[in-house]
Amino acid sequence: DVKVTQSSRYLVKRTGEKVFLECVQDMDHENMFWYRQDPGLGLRLIYFSYDVKMKEKGDIPEGYSVSREKKERFSLILESASTNQTSMYLCASSLEQGTDTQYFGPGTRLTVL
Amino acid sequence: GNSVTQMEGPVTLSEEAFLTINCTYTATGYPSLFWYVQYPGEGLQLLLKATKADDKGSNKGFEATYRKETTSFHLEKGSVQVSDSAVYFCALSVLPSGGGADGLTFGKGTHLIIQP
Repeated sequence: DVKVTQSSRYLVKRTGEKVFLECVQDMDHENMFWYRQDPGLGLRLIYFSYDVKMKEKGDIPEGYSVSREKKERFSLILESASTNQTSMYLCASSLEQGTDTQYFGPGTRLTVL
Repeated sequence: GNSVTQMEGPVTLSEEAFLTINCTYTATGYPSLFWYVQYPGEGLQLLLKATKADDKGSNKGFEATYRKETTSFHLEKGSVQVSDSAVYFCALSVLPSGGGADGLTFGKGTHLIIQP
């Protein structure tokens, strides 16, 4: 079974703090993704990566950055957290280029006060 | 661009009722289509998928048929159970023609409540 884990289930931060959300997958997947999930908006793609050190912007990259130094780990960074970044963050991975089935982690619920 | 439209709910049914959740899409290119399910307190799980026109995806008694002519991928189940209560997301993916990856485009989700 594919396993995608996220470092925290719940996180509370203050406005202006730098926030790191970590995601690890154990199945040697090439592609990794970060989404945020908001009521009434569904899931929206923030960033994705198809290889180590490679990254691509999704639909809503503003206010976020990412890092992928190792194949199994994909980090989402909020340089200066704001209250409008309070959300559920979901990480996903997929096997290789040209495949599209994504496997999701349990999510991190981030609250920015 | 790509988009997915689905009924938002909540949809409330009695146990053993027939379920349909409508999903329509617009896409640049030829998409693969998915239904994901999110049970309370959990992440998204793939429920079923279809990759080409007229394909039928099925799993756990749920079915959906890829209808290119109506750009639809409606989810159906003949007899729902209380344990089917969850949020259901329709999604699509259009892979770049030169290879590579791309994210999923999701609908807003349909909250399904099954009453005993």
